[in-house]
Amino acid sequence: DIQMTQSPPSLSASLGDKVTITCQASQNINKYIAWYQQKPGKAPRQLIRYTSTLVSGTPSRFSGSGSGRDYSFSISNVESEDIASYYCLQYDNLWTFGGGTKLELK
Amino acid sequence: QVQLKESGPGLVQPSQTLSLTCTVSGFSLTSNSVSWVRQPPGKGLEWMGAIWSGGSTDYNSALKSRLSISRDTSKSQVFLKMNSLQTEDTAIYFCTRSRAAISLDYWGQGVMVTVSS
Repeated sequence: DIQMTQSPPSLSASLGDKVTITCQASQNINKYIAWYQQKPGKAPRQLIRYTSTLVSGTPSRFSGSGSGRDYSFSISNVESEDIASYYCLQYDNLWTFGGGTKLELK
Repeated sequence: QVQLKESGPGLVQPSQTLSLTCTVSGFSLTSNSVSWVRQPPGKGLEWMGAIWSGGSTDYNSALKSRLSISRDTSKSQVFLKMNSLQTEDTAIYFCTRSRAAISLDYWGQGVMVTVSS
């Protein structure tokens, strides 16, 4: 099974900051990584797929990059509506989620 | 439009079997796969298993011995059955459409299942 190590588990940011979350896979996942946003009481919402492709409706302040085993997700100019938990998901071989990152306001 | 909706009992006793139904609309089960994902209160997401468009299944190795996923294409329903439930199986259970190269795109609202006597 592929393991996904996501960091940091929590992040504190001010409005307008840039924040970055990383995920490392236990093996090459060929860019098959997606990123999700989840707000309390809601289902996860896909923001990015295939490393860097923004899903329709995802604001351009969200971005993703990476290759091989190492991937990152960034939010530039954090807005209040971005306060949520974020998860990476590999889908190269079945599916595995990272442990999640909780983004809070400083 | 694509929709998924989970249904099932909110409370299950320890050692019993959980049965959940995911009713889908806006897409065909014979050309899309469906996964189940769960989330214990205050914790992260765990992929549980999937049923592929052709009807075959794959499971999380940690749950494989207790989990079964099936479907009724005529009713657009996918079923989850998990036996030997324990308190740590208390979670919100989601069904989600799974597509190659797109991954898990549409999700149901989730159903909360509590394992308690």
